[in-house]
Amino acid sequence: AIQMTQSPSSLSASVGDRVTITCRASQDIRNDLGWYQQKPGKAPDLLIYAASSLQSGVPSRFSGGGSGTDFTLTITSLQPEDFATYYCLQDYNYPRTFGQGTKVEIK
Amino acid sequence: QVQLVESGGGLVKPGGSLRLSCAASGFPFSDYYMSWIRQAPGKGLEWVSYISSSRTYTDYADSVRGRFTISRDNAKNLLSLQMNSLRAEDTAVYYCARVRQWLVEDRYHYGMDVWGQGTTVTVSS
Repeated sequence: AIQMTQSPSSLSASVGDRVTITCRASQDIRNDLGWYQQKPGKAPDLLIYAASSLQSGVPSRFSGGGSGTDFTLTITSLQPEDFATYYCLQDYNYPRTFGQGTKVEIK
Repeated sequence: QVQLVESGGGLVKPGGSLRLSCAASGFPFSDYYMSWIRQAPGKGLEWVSYISSSRTYTDYADSVRGRFTISRDNAKNLLSLQMNSLRAEDTAVYYCARVRQWLVEDRYHYGMDVWGQGTTVTVSS
């Protein structure tokens, strides 16, 4: 199975900050990657698909990039509602695999 | 509105069985692949299984292969997960999710765009 490695595991940031989370695949997955946001006690929400396509209804401060093995999720101007845990998920093949998550906390 | 509602979770002894259900509404259920994802207490997300729209294709995480079986009833808009030989490490919140497909630059991409609220499975003696 493809291994997905996120970094950092957690970060502290302030409202208004620019935040970048990285996800690395153990093999080339082209651009078959999505990003999800999960708040405590809630189901995840899809933010990005195809590495850089914004899901309908997701604010434009979220953006994704990368291809091959290295991917990024960037949040420009962090908002209070963005404090959450973020996961990448490869959809290149089965079994699907998530990264271990990045918790974004308030500084 | 588009909705997924899981049920069937509970407390079960190691080695026991449980059947989870996910009732779909508000969208053409038979047009979509569906997945199960779980999250152990305090841990990250783990993809568990998927089933194609016509039930032709399924797959499983290695951790559950041979013990779990995914199925669907398109007439009833119902997704199911039969879990046998349960272990303590299967303790988790189990989510069902709709798999949406997009065509981007001549390739299909997939994402889970609708999720249920989750049902809790606890495996303990």
